[in-house]
Amino acid sequence: QSVLTQPPSASGTPGQRVTISCSGSSSNIGSNYVYWFQQLPGTAPKLLIYRNNQRPSGVPDRFSGSKSGTSASLAISGLRSEDELDYYCAAWDDSLSGVLFGGGTKLTVL
Amino acid sequence: EVQLVESGGGLVKPGGSLRLSCAASGFTFSSHSMNWVRQAPGKGLEWVSSISSISNHIYYEDSVKGRFTISRDNAKNSLYLQMNSLRAEDTAVYYCARDLNLWDVWGQGTTVTVSS
Repeated sequence: QSVLTQPPSASGTPGQRVTISCSGSSSNIGSNYVYWFQQLPGTAPKLLIYRNNQRPSGVPDRFSGSKSGTSASLAISGLRSEDELDYYCAAWDDSLSGVLFGGGTKLTVL
Repeated sequence: EVQLVESGGGLVKPGGSLRLSCAASGFTFSSHSMNWVRQAPGKGLEWVSSISSISNHIYYEDSVKGRFTISRDNAKNSLYLQMNSLRAEDTAVYYCARDLNLWDVWGQGTTVTVSS
């Protein structure tokens, strides 16, 4: 089953702004909401962004989501060492009648 | 406290079966669709299956169709995943997560290992 395409890695220095992309198609990102998750390996994922750009309560406003056409992005501003985690996007796919996850992006804070 | 707790994982031989459970508390379980997501060792997240609030809509990832069955008991606030004909590639941590449109609550996961 196909996945949404994310870069396997991203990096930035403390205080910097980084973005993580998620590329899909008209049947998934192009027509459905995008969700972003943060995960410390070995622990459960945590919801960061829902419905493209909404932040759950408790998620700092340093995290923001956007969507344009068949691509979405997660932006993290004011990068901190504790942001050094794995990030995943997800979206429903109308053609597959199922959920697709991106392959994940490992963020390194230099 | 809103919580999901998975159980039922373990070591099983190829071709064997397991039934995972996910106990929900702290919210109105019957109002939410539910999902199973898995993560193989060192790999990314993979969606497995989803079920609507009243079980009238059920979806499966292609590789588990015909082998896995998702179900729920709203009276018991519980979600299940019956896994048959297990393969080595089903080895993963299995998470339950709340609502196809929210994904806001996740369990801690239960580990399934398929090995002879």
